[in-house]
Amino acid sequence: NAGVMQNPRHLVRRRGQEARLRCSPMKGHSHVYWYRQLPEEGLKFMVYLQKENIIDESGMPKERFSAEFPKEGPSILRIQQVVRGDSAAYFCASSPNRVDDGYTFGSGTRLTVV
Amino acid sequence: AQSVTQLDSQVPVFEEAPVELRCNYSSSVSVYLFWYVQYPNQGLQLLLKYLSGSTLVESINGFEAEFNKSQTSFHLRKPSVHISDTAEYFCAVNKGNGGSQGNLIFGKGTKLSVKP
Repeated sequence: NAGVMQNPRHLVRRRGQEARLRCSPMKGHSHVYWYRQLPEEGLKFMVYLQKENIIDESGMPKERFSAEFPKEGPSILRIQQVVRGDSAAYFCASSPNRVDDGYTFGSGTRLTVV
Repeated sequence: AQSVTQLDSQVPVFEEAPVELRCNYSSSVSVYLFWYVQYPNQGLQLLLKYLSGSTLVESINGFEAEFNKSQTSFHLRKPSVHISDTAEYFCAVNKGNGGSQGNLIFGKGTKLSVKP
């Protein structure tokens, strides 16, 4: 039973390019969450999705960031026109029900913008 | 808005010494509380959680945490640490009403460094 799979593990983009981060939740998990981790700042909530629905995107920057969780396939976090400040570790987590069960986290994607 | 405060950003201790990692939260409603551990270059792993019932919860590797409602705290303790416990520990909170909010609020983390 594979855990939460994130890819790529490391991603380097030049300023202005697009970054696509993928997350496959654990089997049987229908809730997906994206978090961003900056040095010395802990994890910041970005977005909470269920299949084909965005439940809570209160932590998403208003511009350039979007997320989806289609009926088939992984959840995608998309960052358009990346800037140096987007450099961070992005973690995906999934849960079978609501947060009562705790999350299972992926190993993260480390985005570096050069 | 809810917040989580981890008072110590770094805690160095010697092997076999006891340790306490402090966590306080701000909330006027019932909460669910969690501790996660992150080893270098890895994702977070759930260590233990408090949902309801006994205020003392334990993990399989010797950690325990006690929910104190009057002090709004959920401190993590271990009576004797090992080198392998070196990691970053995050406290997290969520509203405990089973409602639609699915996101956890995390503290900034405490880096535990166990020295031989």
